[in-house]
Amino acid sequence: GAGVSQSPSNKVTEKGKDVELRCDPISGHTALYWYRQSLGQGLEFLIYFQGNSAPDKSGLPSDRFSAERTGGSVSTLTIQRTQQEDSAVYLCASRQGDSNQPQHFGDGTRLSIL
Amino acid sequence: GDSVTQMEGPVTLSEEAFLTINCTYTATGYPSLFWYVQYPGEGLQLLLKATKADDKGSNKGFEATYRKETTSFHLEKGSVQVSDSAVYFCALSREGRRALTFGSGTRLQVQP
Repeated sequence: GAGVSQSPSNKVTEKGKDVELRCDPISGHTALYWYRQSLGQGLEFLIYFQGNSAPDKSGLPSDRFSAERTGGSVSTLTIQRTQQEDSAVYLCASRQGDSNQPQHFGDGTRLSIL
Repeated sequence: GDSVTQMEGPVTLSEEAFLTINCTYTATGYPSLFWYVQYPGEGLQLLLKATKADDKGSNKGFEATYRKETTSFHLEKGSVQVSDSAVYFCALSREGRRALTFGSGTRLQVQP
C-alpha cells in the first residue's frame, strides 16, 4: 500500500521567504508527526497531531514555524521568514494505534535556504 | 528527560563481518524500543522493535534484545553485506511522551 508521501522532495528558497511543506500520511493513521533532521542537531521532534486533539507543539523552535492538519489527514508545515539555520531535511511520520506501534516515515523534504 | 545514546560512527566493516551497534537509553516507565535504518537519500525505515523487557526484535538478519537491567538495545547482525551500508538510529517511545526520542545515528560502511 501507499506509504507516507511528502512534497516537494527538494525546496530551494531565498532567506526571508515563506515555505510550505506537505505531508500525506498513510490512510487510516490517526497520529502524524513532523521532525527535522540537520547535521548538527540530529533528529528533532517538531509537532504531533493525534485525531481531533489539540496538537503538541512543544518541539517547534520559534513562532515562525506552524503546522496544521486538515480533516485528520494531510498536514502542512509552514515556515515564515526563513533563515539559513532552517536548512534541513523535514521528515513526516504517521502511526496508527498506541505508542508501541512504529512510526512510518516519508522520504522527507530537503530545504535549502540561500 | 528521555535520552538515547548510540556508539559514534562511522563503523567500517568488511563483507560477512559481525556487526554490533551499541544503544543505551534513559527513560522513566517502560518505553518501547526501535531501530530505524536510513539509506542515502531516503527517509527512515523501521528495522525492528521490542515493546517489553527481554523481547527480541528481528528482521533481515538483524536482531536486538530489550535489556531492562542494562537499559540497552544493541543491534547485531552475524554477517553484513555491502547493501547494509546506511545510517542506523536507535529510538524509544513512551506513553505520555508520544514523539520518538532518537539517538544520534551510527553510519555503517560495509566494504566488499
